Amino acid sequence: QKEVEQNSGPLSVPEGAIASLNCTYSDRGSQSFFWYRQYSGKSPELIMSIYSNGDKEDGRFTAQLNKASQYVSLLIRDSQPSDSATYLCAVNMGTNAGKSTFGDGTTLTVKP
Amino acid sequence: EPEVTQTPSHQVTQMGQEVILRCVPISNHLYFYWYRQILGQKVEFLVSFYNNEISEKSEIFDDQFSVERPDGSNFTLKIRSTKLEDSAMYFCASKEGGEAFFGQGTRLTVV
Repeated sequence: QKEVEQNSGPLSVPEGAIASLNCTYSDRGSQSFFWYRQYSGKSPELIMSIYSNGDKEDGRFTAQLNKASQYVSLLIRDSQPSDSATYLCAVNMGTNAGKSTFGDGTTLTVKP
Repeated sequence: EPEVTQTPSHQVTQMGQEVILRCVPISNHLYFYWYRQILGQKVEFLVSFYNNEISEKSEIFDDQFSVERPDGSNFTLKIRSTKLEDSAMYFCASKEGGEAFFGQGTRLTVV
């Protein structure tokens, strides 16, 4: 079983729709969860972090965490063509020094 | 806005040669990392560095790899004898609290 697993994708949504990206993780001790956006040939760009169960909203982005189900998701409302990218889920054991373990990523295409 | 800076952006080297990839982390950050991403694959952890020593390393980070913080600002990754399979994007990241910020990466091509 992969440590961090994401929807295989690719995911295609029309402009203005809600895009839903999902991630599960295997280590119950994980404490920190991140979503990065990566454009082709570029570095990961942090868009959301979440540490406790529930929802966290930032603009058009909402991260949801359910530690009991070992599940974290990212919702993108009012999707724009500029949101087209690969979204990476990353999980840390601790809050400070620990490494991030990344999923394979889900490629999102937002069609105008 | 503070950012992590990496140089060079692209390095081409012959197999067996040594390369040094350079990073300037965000100035007040305490934790430093190197990750790599082979084309089309996921981001993989190589090594973490805190308080002037390696705090964790992956199986990928074997004896041909080393890291150093030669002064108060730079953080380097050295690959002693490059192999074809070392061709990848190498990302430096730093953090002070929970969130890691990545540099723009160095694309290493071994020929």
